Amino acid sequence: AQSVTQPDIHITVSEGASLELRCNYSYGATPYLFWYVQSPGQGLQLLLKYFSGDTLVQGIKGFEAEFKRSQSSFNLRKPSVHWSDAAEYFCAVGMNYGGSQGNLIFGKGTKLSVKP
Amino acid sequence: NAGVTQTPKFQVLKTGQSMTLQCAQDMNHNSMYWYRQDPGMGLRLIYYSASEGTTDKGEVPNGYNVSRLNKREFSLRLESAAPSQTSVYFCASSEHLRGDYGYTFGSGTRLTVV
Repeated sequence: AQSVTQPDIHITVSEGASLELRCNYSYGATPYLFWYVQSPGQGLQLLLKYFSGDTLVQGIKGFEAEFKRSQSSFNLRKPSVHWSDAAEYFCAVGMNYGGSQGNLIFGKGTKLSVKP
Repeated sequence: NAGVTQTPKFQVLKTGQSMTLQCAQDMNHNSMYWYRQDPGMGLRLIYYSASEGTTDKGEVPNGYNVSRLNKREFSLRLESAAPSQTSVYFCASSEHLRGDYGYTFGSGTRLTVV
């Protein structure tokens, strides 16, 4: 069955430090991959997406992610974290058909805290 | 350019009461979804509608019903609310059921059942 794993439930980084959030997926075909961010009390906002082509994709707010097929990973990175990046981050895999989990499967999320 | 609009934003129900959560999108999307979000559980799909006139169960449909009223609107009904349905509910839409464009989410409805 298709699945998405975000191994880190909660990460704390200092403002200005670099960030990497991990995401691993299990899916038989070529996946569509997404990262969403959720600020407290808000809905989910799309940060970036990978469909095909260049495996390093750029997103909004200075984020980037790299697709590594050999590792079934799509890790999110940012070179220098700002206090406003504190939020919960969700990785998702898109399929090309509907099922009991719909066509977009979400990880359980990683909560990011930023120390001043 | 509203995107996905959910009403109400907050609601408190007594056990056994019923209510309908409303969702509307103005992006001419074909597919719509209802999720619930609980701490440590991530997002779980309740129901989805691939296109106007169709609805299908997701991962956690028990205790809920849905109606795809037209292309814009997709409502979620709790017939007899239970404390286990205390959650944050999100509506989302996408251009079509293929998972290549991602979803646009509403801002959520925070529901408490006492």
